[in-house]
Amino acid sequence: GESVGLHLPTLSVQEGDNSIINCAYSNSASDYFIWYKQESGKGPQFIIDIRSNMDKRQGQRVTVLLNKTVKHLSLQIAATQPGDSAVYFCAETPNTNAGKSTFGDGTTLTVKP
Amino acid sequence: SQTIHQWPATLVQPVGSPLSLECTVEGTSNPNLYWYRQAAGRGLQLLFYSVGIGQISSEVPQNLSASRPQDRQFILSSKKLLLSDSGFYLCAWSVIHSPLHFGNGTRLTVT
Repeated sequence: GESVGLHLPTLSVQEGDNSIINCAYSNSASDYFIWYKQESGKGPQFIIDIRSNMDKRQGQRVTVLLNKTVKHLSLQIAATQPGDSAVYFCAETPNTNAGKSTFGDGTTLTVKP
Repeated sequence: SQTIHQWPATLVQPVGSPLSLECTVEGTSNPNLYWYRQAAGRGLQLLFYSVGIGQISSEVPQNLSASRPQDRQFILSSKKLLLSDSGFYLCAWSVIHSPLHFGNGTRLTVT
């Protein structure tokens, strides 16, 4: 069956450093990938997405990289700030219906001042 | 702009009592609507989704049901709650080619 996993359940970085959160997926038919950020007590928020016809996509301070050969997805956060502390989820779907995504268990990012 | 409202934020209910959680979306028409449950420290499990009024698909067998009486209203219900129904319930909407947009969730504790 499908599974999406994150390599590390927790990640601690110093404020100002760059963060890299990794995610491996198993469904080679997946063609739409999304990163969400969830702060304590709130619902997940969309950060950035990427489709399978791309290898890289950049947003404001965030970059998502997709390696379809090894079925690996990563989220890079530049100049990490205390407000970036949250749980980050990757999600993958084999079609454009994001609601049928498979979610990983999340990586908890802690930013130390 | 689109907004999603979900209430209540927290709820404590005894075993065997009924449940009704409501979610409404504003600023978009004919969205896909979803109910997810999130266990502590875990990812999200899709419970129900709806592509239109009265159209409900269930992803997992359980003690819960969902209804969509209006285009932008999605309700999660139970006739008799079980202890195992405790969790964090999230409503979300999406349209094709877009990510999910979540509400802020309801923390349900069944005692």
